[in-house]
Amino acid sequence: DTAVSQTPKYLVTQMGNDKSIKCEQNLGHDTMYWYKQDSKKFLKIMFSYNNKELIINETVPNRFSPKSPDKAHLNLHINSLELGDSAVYFCASSHRHQNTEAFFGQGTRLTVV
Amino acid sequence: SQQGEEDPQALSIQEGENATMNCSYKTSINNLQWYRQNSGRGLVHLILIRSNEREKHSGRLRVTLDTSKKSSSLLITASRAADTASYFCATDFTGSARQLTFGSGTQLTVLP
Repeated sequence: DTAVSQTPKYLVTQMGNDKSIKCEQNLGHDTMYWYKQDSKKFLKIMFSYNNKELIINETVPNRFSPKSPDKAHLNLHINSLELGDSAVYFCASSHRHQNTEAFFGQGTRLTVV
Repeated sequence: SQQGEEDPQALSIQEGENATMNCSYKTSINNLQWYRQNSGRGLVHLILIRSNEREKHSGRLRVTLDTSKKSSSLLITASRAADTASYFCATDFTGSARQLTFGSGTQLTVLP
């Protein structure tokens, strides 16, 4: 069974469109994350979220918004897509307590044309 | 800015040789973790070392941590072609919600 699953795996869309990427984890974790990996493989955290708090990386444009319908899901909504949004987006989850690892999804490759 | 920086950015070795990757970070941490990413795939956790630990082993992996120098190293012994991947260190500094901050990664190529 897949621990952290993201859909879609590939997403090609035009500039200006609005899109969503879904993420689900079946590990019972209480904290979920979204990361962006650029073409140079730099991984940058965008959001971390548990049922009490959302932490937003200050460099993330407000066109990006996470939405969590329940503890097992953290979806990423992106409005007015721009060329620079093209990247691989990873969802991850972990326990809130220290000293445990994070589990990652397989990534969603977003291409904005 | 990135919390961690890996060194070297790229490393190419022959099968059977050892591979050493280094990571430096900037702020105090609770633990440091190493992850592997195969091409086109997600990240897979390899090993976690806590801030009060200095060395940890897992199979062919050996991790060291020097909190005074804010640095860590990952040693892969007797490398195999299947070890070819990108390796990232990630630092865990907790506030009210956890965040893992990743370094820039080392691309390891193991030649058969």
